[in-house]
Parts: sequence; C-alpha cells; structure tokens
Amino acid sequence: DAEITQSPRHKITETGRQVTLACHQTWNHNNMFWYRQDLGHGLRLIHYSYGVQDTNKGEVSDGYSVSRSNTEDLPLTLESAASSQTSVYFCASSEGVGGGAAETQYFGPGTRLLVL
Amino acid sequence: TQLLEQSPQFLSIQEGENLTVYCNSSSVFSSLQWYRQEPGEGPVLLVTVVTGGEVKKLKRLTFQFGDARKDSSLHITAAQPGDTGLYLCAGARYGGATNKLIFGTGTLLAVQP
Repeated sequence: DAEITQSPRHKITETGRQVTLACHQTWNHNNMFWYRQDLGHGLRLIHYSYGVQDTNKGEVSDGYSVSRSNTEDLPLTLESAASSQTSVYFCASSEGVGGGAAETQYFGPGTRLLVL
Repeated sequence: TQLLEQSPQFLSIQEGENLTVYCNSSSVFSSLQWYRQEPGEGPVLLVTVVTGGEVKKLKRLTFQFGDARKDSSLHITAAQPGDTGLYLCAGARYGGATNKLIFGTGTLLAVQP
C-alpha cells in the first residue's frame, strides 16, 4: 500500500545545530508540504513543492529550507536550530492534478522535535 | 493573524450528547475541508465541501459550508468515545491555489464514556 513516512519520529537537538527531517511518499504525488503544529495555531505551512526542482515558501519559512530532487522525497532542513523551532512537524502530499476543489492531503505520522 | 478561527477550542462532553464545531473566516474559500487528528498521528480527511450552502453527511457527522463560503460547521449527533480527537478545518482561498490549504486553529474534542 502507498504511504507517507517521516523520520525520525522523535529528535532532540541543541541550539545552533543543523537538523534534517526526512519525508518519503510512495503515492507518486506531485505535491508535497511541510507543516509545523503548535498549540493554538493549528497547522502552519513552512514550505511546499509542486514537483521535482520546485520549492516555495509558506507562511513560516524563516530558518527552514527544502529541496526536491525526486518525486518521493522532500527533506526539511533547519539551518541553525532555535528553541522557537521546538514543535511537531508534519509532512503531507497530494496528487496535484488540479481542478476546482481542494485535493486530499495525506499526512505522515509527524516528527516531534525538541531544541534545547 | 489566523485566517480560519475555530470554536470552541476545547470541548468535553458525555457519550450520547450532540455538539457543533464552527470554522469562521472573513475570507472567501473555493472549498473547505475537515480533518480529524488522533494523538500521535497525522490528520485524516473527513470531507470536502465545495458549493456555498452545501451539506454533507458522514454517518453521525453533518458538515455545512456557509452560503457565502466564508464559514463552515461540523455537527456530531450522539457523540461516541471514538469521536475523540482534534478537528481541523482547512480552506483553499478563492482565487488562490487549490493545492495550498490554510488550516484553522483546531477544536479538541473529548467524549467521555
């Protein structure tokens, strides 16, 4: 069965370190998204990609970067981790065929990141 | 500024009670979705509504999209403990990319047996 996975599931790091969170989907979806989830804010979009070599900034992109070298993967990098980046991170994908209604987004299980 | 505000933020009820969750905005959305998220997991889509005034039913859950496409509601009849979770509305802004969603602030529902 197709799925979307994230690794690691839990991560503790120190302020200033570079951290990369992995996201892998086997849906063959064009679109991939990274969100962070914090109490009182719901899900906020960090970066997204509509296909290979395409990346776009979301509403909270400062301090984060992504790259899309293939269809299956969209790793999220925290260039220099800060305590404000302690959060739960979710990766999602959608088919990306366009149309009038919002597509279903399929979410991974999340990565819980603690920056000390 | 959060574009989609949900209310209430928290709701604890007894099994068998009815409840309504609201999702409001000053912006117009081309479509709106509701997701449910259980602890330790990612959100899962429940429904997508597209037309202003549209009503969709999913067993004991009834979803409505406002006539002006600025708001939505989720009504649960005879809530069960299995309904416990975080409910998130998400909208695709009118005139924006349908693939890019704005999520609401979430409503945490606890149904006590």
